[in-house]
Amino acid sequence: DGGITQSPKYLFRKEGQNVTLSCEQNLNHDAMYWYRQDPGQGLRLIYYSQIVNDFQKGDIAEGYSVSREKKESFPLTVTSAQKNPTAFYLCASRPGNTEAFFGQGTRLTVV
Amino acid sequence: EDQVTQSPEALRLQEGESSSLNCSYTVSGLRGLFWYRQDPGKGPEFLFTLYSAGEEKEKERLKATLTKKESFLHITAPKPEDSATYLCAVRTFNSGNTPLVFGKGTRLSVIA
Repeated sequence: DGGITQSPKYLFRKEGQNVTLSCEQNLNHDAMYWYRQDPGQGLRLIYYSQIVNDFQKGDIAEGYSVSREKKESFPLTVTSAQKNPTAFYLCASRPGNTEAFFGQGTRLTVV
Repeated sequence: EDQVTQSPEALRLQEGESSSLNCSYTVSGLRGLFWYRQDPGKGPEFLFTLYSAGEEKEKERLKATLTKKESFLHITAPKPEDSATYLCAVRTFNSGNTPLVFGKGTRLSVIA
């Protein structure tokens, strides 16, 4: 089935640790996005990529990094510089000037 | 700066009690307004796209409408399974293939 797969569904991070969230799509979409969702905050943009080997910072990029080596994959690394990483992370993709399609999310918790 | 504001933040309805959710926007040229439904712990699910003032879209008990300043999501005779957070997002002439700008959502609870 075509879609966007995020893994893992739940992730626990220790203080000072980097963790990587996976996002894979088989929809052949050029553009991919990472959003962070906190209670009452809506979706805030972290990073986005419109094409392979290119990406741009969103509104809250500090403490995060991404790569886009393949069209299908857009992993997000939450670094130790991100002081408040506990949140629900959503990956999305879009084929062009249409709606975005979302994965099922990864819930990250600092322990 | 493009802004999207949704109201109310939360809405509680009795089953069968129709109501509307609001999404107002301040953007530099609208190229599309999108409605999504999000269940707890899940990713948003696409509902509708509206492109021009006067346009309407319907799906089961939901109808979305668009004016030059706002969009409404009308829910007719809701059922408990309509309980979810409804998100509104816009794309503007500035954005090209860049990201949608989202509102904070309206959390709808329908009580049997």
